Amino acid sequence: EAGVVQSPRYKIIEKKQPVAFWCNPISGHNTLYWYRQNLGQGPELLIRYENEEAVDDSQLPKDRFSAERLKGVDSTLKIQPAELGDSAVYLCASSYRTGYYNEQFFGPGTRLTVL
Amino acid sequence: GEDVEQSLFLSVREGDSSVINCTYTDSSSTYLYWYKQEPGAGLQLLTYIFSNMDMKQDQRLTVLLNKKDKHLSLRIADTQTGDSAIYFCAESIGGASKIIFGSGTRLSIRP
Repeated sequence: EAGVVQSPRYKIIEKKQPVAFWCNPISGHNTLYWYRQNLGQGPELLIRYENEEAVDDSQLPKDRFSAERLKGVDSTLKIQPAELGDSAVYLCASSYRTGYYNEQFFGPGTRLTVL
Repeated sequence: GEDVEQSLFLSVREGDSSVINCTYTDSSSTYLYWYKQEPGAGLQLLTYIFSNMDMKQDQRLTVLLNKKDKHLSLRIADTQTGDSAIYFCAESIGGASKIIFGSGTRLSIRP
């Protein structure tokens, strides 16, 4: 069974440019997460989807970040325009349900460098 | 507020036991997790413990939970070079739909 797939794996852009990340969760997983992981830190949640609905986007900087999960499967995360401080690894994760036990399966991440 | 704290580094000799410690803040956390991250990879769930348990053992891994002190530890017996990674402690928040991660402990193995 394939795990969580993310692309691209690496992205280098100049500040003020737009960038988009794509995630394909594990088949059948209804919950999808986008995290940002700064160097030397743990992942921090940006947005959580239950099927197509964004149920927690309180940490998403909405002035420049947007996300969508059409048809409740794949998801894209976009930054426009990117800033130097956006350099980080962007992790996508998925889980089967959000009951009390919540094993999240992580993709390998997209490492973004903003110059 | 919500915060999970861990020491940043741990160095152990190959074959010894490693003990990674963590403190958390939410006394209502139902599950606590240990994730492992190898270089260039995403996080992988290693083990978890339900909040009504004090200890859980899974092969070389032993998790100890002290709810009174909000302290969680992960012991890795007979540490091997393949155990070199960053280990993240995490607590569930608000009914477990949200997980808060610590900053990670980088485990290095000495020959």
